[in-house]
Amino acid sequence: DAKTTQPTSMDCAEGRAANLPCNHSTISGNEYVYWYRQIHSQGPQYIIHGLKNNETNEMASLIITEDRKSSTLILPHATLRDTAVYYCIVSLIYNQGGKLIFGQGTELSVKP
Amino acid sequence: EPEVTQTPSHQVTQMGQEVILRCVPISNHLYFYWYRQILGQKVEFLVSFYNNEISEKSEIFDDQFSVERPDGSNFTLKIRSTKLEDSAMYFCAGNLKGDEQFFGPGTRLTVL
Repeated sequence: DAKTTQPTSMDCAEGRAANLPCNHSTISGNEYVYWYRQIHSQGPQYIIHGLKNNETNEMASLIITEDRKSSTLILPHATLRDTAVYYCIVSLIYNQGGKLIFGQGTELSVKP
Repeated sequence: EPEVTQTPSHQVTQMGQEVILRCVPISNHLYFYWYRQILGQKVEFLVSFYNNEISEKSEIFDDQFSVERPDGSNFTLKIRSTKLEDSAMYFCAGNLKGDEQFFGPGTRLTVL
């Protein structure tokens, strides 16, 4: 599985967009980019995933560069409840076992 | 909305004792996983389970660990002889086709 690099921490003002970057320069052609988050000590929560096209759902948008070596998760209007650790994970979909390899993630603090 | 449940929420045990952590995955899921998170550290993959057998396991998942899906609904993780270093949050997860994983709230295991 390709390795990802994320900033350790970021701050965001409440109501503003939070843009969380991720580098995955060794991603292979059949690997997807997944984003999960973990609020305090709760179980990780799926946010969004994509292969090469930009994706949007009710939680967030995912922008993947054309060379697929980096991506950005966008929370369009961050709230205090979005304070969490955000994980960018590169993984084969439908791979054997489907395991997720978590890094340290980005600790996002949304401030009033 | 269906969710993954785990019991107990907190388990305290003496070193050397056996513990069984229980999970009830979402009913139509086919792939199941256990992860653990030692306090202050990243989430680590332990094992994946599909079609009533282990698909993949990590180096952490040694002979002291076992998993079972005894009745088609519960998914259990057994640790035969607990060690101090087994103290962690244990998360169960599942998915349908190797796509997004749904995590439970976790069981906090404390080994004294």
